[in-house]
Amino acid sequence: GAVVSQHPSWVICKSGTSVKIECRSLDFQATTMFWYRQFPKQSLMLMATSNEGSKATYEQGVEKDKFLINHASLTLSTLTVTSAHPEDSSFYICSAPVGQGNQPQHFGDGTRLSIL
Amino acid sequence: GDSVTQMEGPVTLSEEAFLTINCTYTATGYPSLFWYVQYPGEGLQLLLKATKADDKGSNKGFEATYRKETTSFHLEKGSVQVSDSAVYFCALIGGGGGFKTIFGAGTRLFVKA
Repeated sequence: GAVVSQHPSWVICKSGTSVKIECRSLDFQATTMFWYRQFPKQSLMLMATSNEGSKATYEQGVEKDKFLINHASLTLSTLTVTSAHPEDSSFYICSAPVGQGNQPQHFGDGTRLSIL
Repeated sequence: GDSVTQMEGPVTLSEEAFLTINCTYTATGYPSLFWYVQYPGEGLQLLLKATKADDKGSNKGFEATYRKETTSFHLEKGSVQVSDSAVYFCALIGGGGGFKTIFGAGTRLFVKA
């Protein structure tokens, strides 16, 4: 079945570092991908919708300059957390719909980001 | 806007007990409904889905029926196992929010041996 691969699965880095997270659709093309943030024991918060070949659509309250999204091909979207600080520590998950219409999302396994 | 409300957890059950996790939704139009499961440290996996009223989704012994009259999509399993311990998310797509997935808050299930 359709698989979404997310890399890396775990990142620990110093405050001020920029961190890039990759989300790949392995056996299908994804013109749209979604990026979520999940705090401990909470639900997923949609951060942005990544659109292939155009600018991402950010949800209200999400800093565009902080969370840079690039969707350069039909199988790859990247989320870069710029100048990360401890408050950016979280679990980040990407997803992509397979097919058209009201189709379920296929999720990556998530990236746990810890900023020291 | 569209929303999904789930029963609060955690839910703690003994092995072989009956499970119900309530989910109700508010949406315009005709959304599709889903249950996702998240095991510790992992992303979400689709558990089951239903795309129209009275549809029953089922998988791995779990079932949920799309009830338009009560705007509900309750998750049930007749006999839970320790391996079912996870967080379960009810979700919808295709109401007023377009193709964005709207998630419930999640319900954590603990199953004791």
